[in-house]
Amino acid sequence: NAGVIQTPRHKVTGKGQEATLWCEPISGHSAVFWYRQTIVQGLEFLTYFRNQAPIDDSGMPKERFSAQMPNQSHSTLKIQSTQPQDSAVYLCASSLGGNTLYFGEGSRLIVV
Amino acid sequence: QQKVQQSPESLTVSEGAMASLNCTFSDGTSDNFRWYRQHSGKGLEMLVSIFSDGEKEEGRFTAHLNRASLHVSLHIREPQPSDSAVYLCAVSAFASSSFSKLVFGQGTSLSVVP
Repeated sequence: NAGVIQTPRHKVTGKGQEATLWCEPISGHSAVFWYRQTIVQGLEFLTYFRNQAPIDDSGMPKERFSAQMPNQSHSTLKIQSTQPQDSAVYLCASSLGGNTLYFGEGSRLIVV
Repeated sequence: QQKVQQSPESLTVSEGAMASLNCTFSDGTSDNFRWYRQHSGKGLEMLVSIFSDGEKEEGRFTAHLNRASLHVSLHIREPQPSDSAVYLCAVSAFASSSFSKLVFGQGTSLSVVP
């Protein structure tokens, strides 16, 4: 079992450009979660899907962030018009159920 | 809204001495509490989960939960230098929900010195 796979591991993007982050959940897991981690704010919940359907996106900045799960094997987090304050580690986690989240190693986004 | 706070921010212990980490939360109706750790540059590794008041042991890691006191702790027996990491407390946002999002504390940075 390869665990949750996130790509890219590191991304540097210019201010105003778009960034797309990918997550491949553990095979068979029905829930996928996205979190953002910064030194100042710690781990912040962004959104989650269950059986590919969006369930809770209460943590998503409304204007420039979007997430999708087009099939069981991957989810994407897209940030349009990136800003320096978007710099963070974006963590994806999957779960079979019961709140046991298995995390990937994260995608570190740096906006310059 | 569930709020989670951890103390201390950082902790240094000698190899073999017990390490104790604390976590307080604001909403005692939550029923799902977890401790994760994160080595530098890595993802989160779950250590122990606890769902009712009392104690839960997983190897060298023991969690104690007291919902009336809004407190959950983690004790690490015989810590080793490889246990040096950031330890994160996570509490479910809602009670009795199998897919509730987790709210995390800011973490305790643990250093274990030989």
